[in-house]
Amino acid sequence: QKEVEQNSGPLSVPEGAIASLNCTYSDRVSQSFFWYRQYSGKSPELIMSIYSNGDKEDGRFTAQLNKASQYVSLLIRDSQPSDSATYLCAVSYFGNEKLTFGTGTRLTIIP
Amino acid sequence: EAQVTQNPRYLITVTGKKLTVTCSQNMNHEYMSWYRQDPGLGLRQIYYSMNVEVTDKGDVPEGYKVSRKEKRNFPLILESPSPNQTSLYFCASSPSPDYGYTFGSGTRLTVV
Repeated sequence: QKEVEQNSGPLSVPEGAIASLNCTYSDRVSQSFFWYRQYSGKSPELIMSIYSNGDKEDGRFTAQLNKASQYVSLLIRDSQPSDSATYLCAVSYFGNEKLTFGTGTRLTIIP
Repeated sequence: EAQVTQNPRYLITVTGKKLTVTCSQNMNHEYMSWYRQDPGLGLRQIYYSMNVEVTDKGDVPEGYKVSRKEKRNFPLILESPSPNQTSLYFCASSPSPDYGYTFGSGTRLTVV
């Protein structure tokens, strides 16, 4: 059973600080990694994708991938109250069209 | 506007009464998928499709059927719904798994 693990939280971060969200996955042949944001009562929204080891930056968001440690993270700089949501990590496995999600981390930005 | 459209948004039905949740995308995406979301369990894949007439089971396919007769449509069929299928359902589409999915707005299904 391929697994994607996230700390469910809640994670509380002061406004303006860096929020750090973590995800581990079990299958070494994983190819593609995604972070989705889901506001309460809404559908998941893709915010970042990463495929190679290292960092990928997009505005206030940075995704970090370490395939050797089977670890992917999302950093949110200058956190805003509008960043309060559940963040879902998702992994796509090589040769398999499935996209497997973690259970999500609930993030609260405190004004 | 590029989007994935699901209908209905809300549905209350009785045990055993067949129902279909429709899903349509206007982005010419090859891949489509159905997920259910339950508290504490997250998003779990029910079925996915790689193209017309090509479908495969996800992690929780029992009690569900799908078909992909046209590229844009991917309906989810519950032949005999049971209360344990009460959930929030999402349809999603993608040009390929490497690009991530675009999700529809969701269908909240209650089976009594």
